[in-house]
Amino acid sequence: EVQLLESGGDFVQPGGSLRLSCAASGFSFSTYTMNWVRQAPGKGLEWVSGIFSGGSSTLYADSVKGRFTISRDNSKNTLYLQMNGLRADDTAVYYCAKDQVPDGYWTFDYWGRGTLVTVSS
Amino acid sequence: DIVMTQSPLSLSVTPGEAASISCRSSQSLLHSNGLNYLDWYLQKPGQSPQLLIHLGSTRASGVPDRLSGSGSGTDFTLKINRVEAEDVGVYYCMQALQTPLTFGGGTKVEIK
Repeated sequence: EVQLLESGGDFVQPGGSLRLSCAASGFSFSTYTMNWVRQAPGKGLEWVSGIFSGGSSTLYADSVKGRFTISRDNSKNTLYLQMNGLRADDTAVYYCAKDQVPDGYWTFDYWGRGTLVTVSS
Repeated sequence: DIVMTQSPLSLSVTPGEAASISCRSSQSLLHSNGLNYLDWYLQKPGQSPQLLIHLGSTRASGVPDRLSGSGSGTDFTLKINRVEAEDVGVYYCMQALQTPLTFGGGTKVEIK
């Protein structure tokens, strides 16, 4: 059974940093592109970042480019999101999402339960 | 960036009736390989999103055939036949053609 378990969400002041983790199990983690998608309170979904299976290719939404860094450790089956320079509008539930096809097109067949990041003074 | 526009914003449906949700993209999602890179997701209350439809019309595993996706290019539709209580939630379309991936604003479906 595929499982994605996010952690690391917390309350942080503007300008602060956090690192989110997503522990994956039940599939060959090193084969699949992985993503972070966020949802601000009461709002819709926003794709944040994606990383290909090998970890060398990464992509970001303009809203987080230069502040967030996605990475993965295939030996630990874990996805990360390093978030620096946090702003109030980064407040959201952050979901880890797995691509359906190994390094294929962007379709998310499994999602974690999410971890809440709150940025406020 | 590709802008995704959904309508209506909300829908109230009598159980057993049909419902349709429209999704339009600002650019064609039809790839040169003939596939439309458009997904549909449902977020049930208090849950994470779940995949319903990918490539415009292919149902994900376990999705009942009461749900169907259609359309091509810039205009897509999700149809739910014989709406049931389990269909309640917010439906999102997402373009999977190019990054940044972008979602529609969502359509909230409730039961009358």
